[in-house]
Amino acid sequence: DAKTTQPPSMDCAEGRAANLPCNHSTISGNEYVYWYRQIHSQGPQYIIHGLKNNETNEMASLIITEDRKSSTLILPHATLRDTAVYYCIVRPRMRFGAGTRLTVKP
Amino acid sequence: NAGVTQTPKFQVLKTGQSMTLQCAQDMNHEYMSWYRQDPGMGLRLIHYSVGAGITDQGEVPNGYNVSRSTTEDFPLRLLSAAPSQTSVYFCASSRLQETQYFGPGTRLLVL
Repeated sequence: DAKTTQPPSMDCAEGRAANLPCNHSTISGNEYVYWYRQIHSQGPQYIIHGLKNNETNEMASLIITEDRKSSTLILPHATLRDTAVYYCIVRPRMRFGAGTRLTVKP
Repeated sequence: NAGVTQTPKFQVLKTGQSMTLQCAQDMNHEYMSWYRQDPGMGLRLIHYSVGAGITDQGEVPNGYNVSRSTTEDFPLRLLSAAPSQTSVYFCASSRLQETQYFGPGTRLLVL
């Protein structure tokens, strides 16, 4: 199983971009990178996913390195409501780690 | 669509009791799974199913049983509850190899 490594916590100023890194150096060619977030104790919420190209949707952008060993989730203009735990996961196995606790500060 | 629904929202059990956590989805998803989340930890996969009649074990299957008699429902059974099973349980569903959608969770306390 491909494993992911994320920093345990990060802070970001409101209105600034939040860049959350993830290392997945053992990812194989057909495995997707998924990002979810969990606010308080709610169920995880899907954010974005990608295979090898950069992706963007209304919530975030995903930058995947050319060797696919790492990726960065970008929240372009973080708000207080983006404070959550962010999980980087490799699919299909969907093995969750501890994630990154992002705190957006006013 | 109601999405993924879970019942009950909260349950208290005594050690040794059995119970079933219910999960249902109305999106005709083939893939369903159960996770548990302990305080300060990420989610750990208990069991999953890729279709009616097919189930398999995840990372932490001991003490839990599942069945998948219909596409819509994926109940999780605790055979003999233990305090170590105190956790928040999440059910998720998806089309195969696609984005998973999670339910709101069931908070279980075993005394």
